[in-house]
Amino acid sequence: AQTVTQSQPEMSVQEAETVTLSCTYDTSENNYYLFWYKQPPSRQMILVIRQEAYKQQNATENRFSVNFQKAAKSFSLKISDSQLGDTAMYFCAFMKHEDSNYQLIWGAGTKLIIKP
Amino acid sequence: EAGVVQSPRYKIIEKKQPVAFWCNPISGHNTLYWYRQNLGQGPELLIRYENEEAVDDSQLPKDRFSAERLKGVDSTLKIQPAELGDSAVYLCASSLYAYSYEQYFGPGTRLTVT
Repeated sequence: AQTVTQSQPEMSVQEAETVTLSCTYDTSENNYYLFWYKQPPSRQMILVIRQEAYKQQNATENRFSVNFQKAAKSFSLKISDSQLGDTAMYFCAFMKHEDSNYQLIWGAGTKLIIKP
Repeated sequence: EAGVVQSPRYKIIEKKQPVAFWCNPISGHNTLYWYRQNLGQGPELLIRYENEEAVDDSQLPKDRFSAERLKGVDSTLKIQPAELGDSAVYLCASSLYAYSYEQYFGPGTRLTVT
């Protein structure tokens, strides 16, 4: 069974700093997707960034980028020039590519606090 | 375009009482998900609908939970009777298709069972 582990329950950094959230996963699959979702306090979950396992190039979305290490089964999220609005729970998630189930497997989350 | 709508946002009930949650997905989205999220944890899938058909309900506690998605649009999740351990946030999400990369989430319903 697939599992997703986020080893940092909580992190805090000063505004404008760079922060990296870690995520590791366990799977025997070769084709899959990885996601980072953001859940701000009392607001809905939104997709931050996704990575297809067959792509070697790391995904980037503005200030958000990932470091995808397939062999190590690691998928970290880097937030550059952090802003107060980045304060949220961040969840790493995994989805098999060739499976009619299409189920997301979620990590426990990392609470990120951006301090002014 | 409206996002995923859920109601109520908050609900407090006594144990053994029934409760229902409502979700209206994004227009045109065929796939609808109900998740339960306990404090400090990631979401746990309860049930997934493809149009009006429940295609994955393996994690739904069927002795007390039920769900329906009439006409393949909005959906209702019901708990009867509620237990203390049901206190959680119930999230609804939708996607264009099951294999769509992105799921769009509603704001959730925070249930407190006393």
